[in-house]
Formats: sequence, structure tokens, C-alpha cells
Amino acid sequence: DTGVSQNPRHKITKRGQNVTFRCDPISEHNRLYWYRQTLGQGPEFLTYFQNEAQLEKSRLLSDRFSAERPKGSFSTLEIQRTEQGDSAMYLCASSLWMGRLPEAFFGQGTRLTVV
Amino acid sequence: DAKTTQPNSMESNEEEPVHLPCNHSTISGTDYIHWYRQLPSQGPEYVIHGLTSNVNNRMASLAIAEDRKSSTLILHRATLRDAAVYYCILAANAGGTSYGKLTFGQGTILTVHP
Repeated sequence: DTGVSQNPRHKITKRGQNVTFRCDPISEHNRLYWYRQTLGQGPEFLTYFQNEAQLEKSRLLSDRFSAERPKGSFSTLEIQRTEQGDSAMYLCASSLWMGRLPEAFFGQGTRLTVV
Repeated sequence: DAKTTQPNSMESNEEEPVHLPCNHSTISGTDYIHWYRQLPSQGPEYVIHGLTSNVNNRMASLAIAEDRKSSTLILHRATLRDAAVYYCILAANAGGTSYGKLTFGQGTILTVHP
């Protein structure tokens, strides 16, 4: 197992375009999390899934953001009509939930630059 | 979510012990104390977690105050590879939609000098 994989590692897009990121979690992990991190700040929670069910979405998250985990394996995060303020590192994490909080494993992130 | 307070930065010398403090005066009975660290250009990495008793693993030790309102992450012998941002996080372990969600603060930037 190679850990949590995120693609692409870097994405430059023009303002107004849509972008989609992919996260492949560790294979048996049933929980998957998305975070966003800007320079000098800690990661900010966006949303998380248990299997294919989206259990929580941050109230601060714009309607332009949507995430899916269709078969309970990989997940995608889509940002529609990107804005310069969306420029950040987008981190994915996974964990094996068995009734109590285990350690989460993070990917290396996708760095988005909106120009 | 209960909040944590950490110093913005700390410095250490290589091969010396490092004690990273964290205050969490509003901790609830079901909150676990988690520590993660983030090396430059990497995603966060789990370090250790605990509830009431002190905990040890191969990476570090976690000392938890008797009243649980503070904790200290101890790196026994700092190396240059330990230079990172260290995050102290309270995570609910029971009930509610926030069950199992990690809420990061700004963390402590640890600099290790050779």
C-alpha cells in the first residue's frame, strides 16, 4: 500500500474555470476527509465521508464546492467557477473507523493556483 | 469544538529534549488529545494521542495534566528531521456529527538547530 494518493499534485487554472481533484485513500479505510490549507494556516476542514455517505460538510464551504465518493473508495472534489481566493493546498486524509477515532493518514495534497 | 492554545514557535538544539505545550481549558470528558505534525511540503502526520493517562510511542511521549486542561508533547531527542509545525487537536470520540473530525489550529513551528 502506497498510502493516500492525490492527483494532480499541482493545478493552475484561470478564474471562472471548473477544477476536479481526485483522492485515493488507503484501500481498507472507510473514512475519507477533505481539508484546505492556505499559507501559514493549519488545515481547514471541508467535508468527510464514511464509505459513500457524506456525513458532514463545513458551513463555511461555498456551494461551488462539491465532493463525492461514489463507491466508497476514491473521492473527487470539484470546485466550480473558481475564484482567486480558492488558491490553496487541498489535502485528503483517510482512516479506518471502528467506533473510535483512529489516526488519520494524509496525502501530499493538490496545490491549486487560480490566476 | 473545544479550542487549544499553543505557542506560535519554539526552538531547540539537536539531540536535546523538546517539550511542546498545549492548553485546552474547555476540554470535555469525551475529547481525546491528538498531536499531528506537518513537515515542509508534506501533509500532516499522526504523532500520538491520549485521553487521560500519559502515552508513549516510538515517536514521542504525551504527558496529560491531571485536570486534562493542558498537555505536553515530548520529543526525547530532537533531530533535524523533527523540524515541523506541531498541532495539538481535541477530537470528540463519541456522539454528534463532529465525531471523528480533526479541527486544526495554527500549531507550533518547531525549529531545530544543529
